[in-house]
Amino acid sequence: EAGVVQSPRYKIIEKKQPVAFWCNPISGHNTLYWYRQNLGQGPELLIRYENEEAVDDSQLPKDRFSAERLKGVDSTLKIQPAELGDSAVYLCASSLFPGPTYEQYFGPGTRLTVT
Amino acid sequence: AQTVTQSQPEMSVQEAETVTLSCTYDTSESDYYLFWYKQPPSRQMILVIRQEAYKQQNATENRFSVNFQKAAKSFSLKISDSQLGDAAMYFCAYRRNQGGKLIFGQGTELSVKP
Repeated sequence: EAGVVQSPRYKIIEKKQPVAFWCNPISGHNTLYWYRQNLGQGPELLIRYENEEAVDDSQLPKDRFSAERLKGVDSTLKIQPAELGDSAVYLCASSLFPGPTYEQYFGPGTRLTVT
Repeated sequence: AQTVTQSQPEMSVQEAETVTLSCTYDTSESDYYLFWYKQPPSRQMILVIRQEAYKQQNATENRFSVNFQKAAKSFSLKISDSQLGDAAMYFCAYRRNQGGKLIFGQGTELSVKP
C-alpha cells in the first residue's frame, strides 16, 4: 500500500514569493492534516480536513496561508507571500475517521527555505 | 489546553544497552491516546508505540516499551538492546480519544554509540 505522498521534498524561495505544497493521502483515508515543524521543535497542526471540510484551521495564518482539498482526496497548501519565518518542514498526514485507532500516517515532508 | 513536555533535549546510549526517554503531559480529559514517534534525518515520522489511556497495561512493541503513569501524567519510552538504527529524534505526542490533532513535545535526540 502506498503511503502519504508529498511534493516537492525541498523548496528554496525568496521572501515575498508564493509557494505551494501538494499532498496525496493514503487511499481511502478521509481525514488529512497539515503540520508545520520548525527547526528543533515538534510539529504543530495548521489545518485538518474531514473529507472536503476544514474542521480545524484555528492555527492557520489566514492572511498568507490557504489550503484546499478538492474532492476530498489531494490537498494543496499555499503561502503567499512567504516570509523568512515560514522556513520549516511542512508535514502532511492522513487517517481514517472513524477507525479503530484513528492513527495518523505521515508523509516525508517538504523542507521550505525562505531567503 | 493539553501540553506535552520532553525535558531531555539529547540522550546518548551505548549499543546493546537500555535507554529511557521521559515525557510528561497535561490534560483534563480522562480518555486519550499517547504515542511515541521516531523521526530519522529523512524526516518521515514513524509510529513507534501507542498507549490507550483507559488501558492499565503498559504497551510493548518488541524492544520498545512504555511506562504509563496516568495519575502522574507520565509516559516514558524504554528502548532495550539499542541498535545503531535507533538513532533519531523521538517525539512524545498526545491525542484525544475521538481523533483530532496530535500535540507533540519538543523532542529528544537520541544518539547510539557503537
